[in-house]
Amino acid sequence: EPEVTQTPSHQVTQMGQEVILRCVPISNHLYFYWYRQILGQKVEFLVSFYNNEISEKSEIFDDQFSVERPDGSNFTLKIRSTKLEDSAMYFCASREDRDTEAFFGQGTRLTVV
Amino acid sequence: AQTVTQSQPEMSVQEAETVTLSCTYDTSESDYYLFWYKQPPSRQMILVIRQEAYKQQNATENRFSVNFQKAAKSFSLKISDSQLGDAAMYFCAYRSTQGGSEKLVFGKGTKLTVNP
Repeated sequence: EPEVTQTPSHQVTQMGQEVILRCVPISNHLYFYWYRQILGQKVEFLVSFYNNEISEKSEIFDDQFSVERPDGSNFTLKIRSTKLEDSAMYFCASREDRDTEAFFGQGTRLTVV
Repeated sequence: AQTVTQSQPEMSVQEAETVTLSCTYDTSESDYYLFWYKQPPSRQMILVIRQEAYKQQNATENRFSVNFQKAAKSFSLKISDSQLGDAAMYFCAYRSTQGGSEKLVFGKGTKLTVNP
């Protein structure tokens, strides 16, 4: 069964460093998302991506964040200068079309020290 | 903006019994989707069930069913014959069908414990 794949599963980084979280969505999907979940809290929307551009972003998604779909298969989230409060589980999700549900990857646990 | 409220932070159920998790939402839209996602200790988000607002019939998936009350903006999840593997966080989520990204809006979750 097709699945969304995220790498790495766990990343530890020092405050101020850049990190790139990687996702491979399901191949025929057209809508891509990043969500995050701070430990013990609810899942929050970060950004959506469709037709090679951002379609919506939340207040959390400030200038320190960027997304890219560099080669038609990968979908990346970059955090330029990490802060302690960026520590969270980051989920990538993809959806085939407007009427289908989103499938989530297994998540990347980001720890900023 | 749409909001989703799960008023039960924690619930417990005996194995083989039935449990109902509550969810209410707020929206001015008439057409939308509602979902229940399960998050086991591995923290992966797994879709349990979905409901289209235009459908009056409640969705079912094996032991999982919903009670969708559109006028009351209520969307509860019933788990029948509970199993130990059902223990997880359960998140209710809303998705608009109108223009934009159609992102998911999640509730805060309900932690379900299944007692043997």
